[in-house]
Amino acid sequence: QVQLQESGPGLVKPSETLSLTCSVSGGSISGFWWTWIRQPPGKGLEWIGYVYYSGGTSYNPSLKSRITIAIDTSKTQFSLRLSSVTAADTAVYYCARQEYSSGPVDPWGRGTLVTVSS
Amino acid sequence: QSVLTQPPSASGTPGQRVTISCSGSRSNIGSNTVNWYQQLPGTAPKVLIYSNNQRPSGVPDRFSASKSGTSASLVISGLQSADEADYYCAAWDDSLVIVLFGGGTKLTVL
Repeated sequence: QVQLQESGPGLVKPSETLSLTCSVSGGSISGFWWTWIRQPPGKGLEWIGYVYYSGGTSYNPSLKSRITIAIDTSKTQFSLRLSSVTAADTAVYYCARQEYSSGPVDPWGRGTLVTVSS
Repeated sequence: QSVLTQPPSASGTPGQRVTISCSGSRSNIGSNTVNWYQQLPGTAPKVLIYSNNQRPSGVPDRFSASKSGTSASLVISGLQSADEADYYCAAWDDSLVIVLFGGGTKLTVL
């Protein structure tokens, strides 16, 4: 059974770059879309973007200028970089899998809280 | 950014049937399948319904869903206290080229 685990700093300073890694275990990374989703405290879900196992990406236009999602198939990991962060980027960040580009998000990682504060 | 509209809250007593609606447009629900997610307090969301009305293994048949045109509905029958959670609809949007989530509905079991 595929499991995902987010890792990275829990505190980032304003204007700096948020960097998170998602480690995939228990299954192949090939053939799937690997996704980042975030949830500000007490608010709803926002799809950030995804990377295909071969490296193609699609990003949320509202964040596109600040996002990079990359994949390392040798390490079965994928990553998120979000630049020029502000307090509005404070959220729980989830990594997840999609079987096809418009498919359901399943499974999800447990999520990691990233706080943007000086 | 939610262009999928859900009621912010819903409630019912144990044993009752509750319906949560999700309204979209031609570019999302009207053109693509709808998925529903359940987020229990303090946990990550999990898929409850996929492809409009399909239940993953392990999801009780008390949960069902349907889609018609640009709207979708989630029905929970035989409501239980364990069903208290936030519920989100989601669909791919062909115009925005993203996965759209509804704003979420907080279900309270009275």
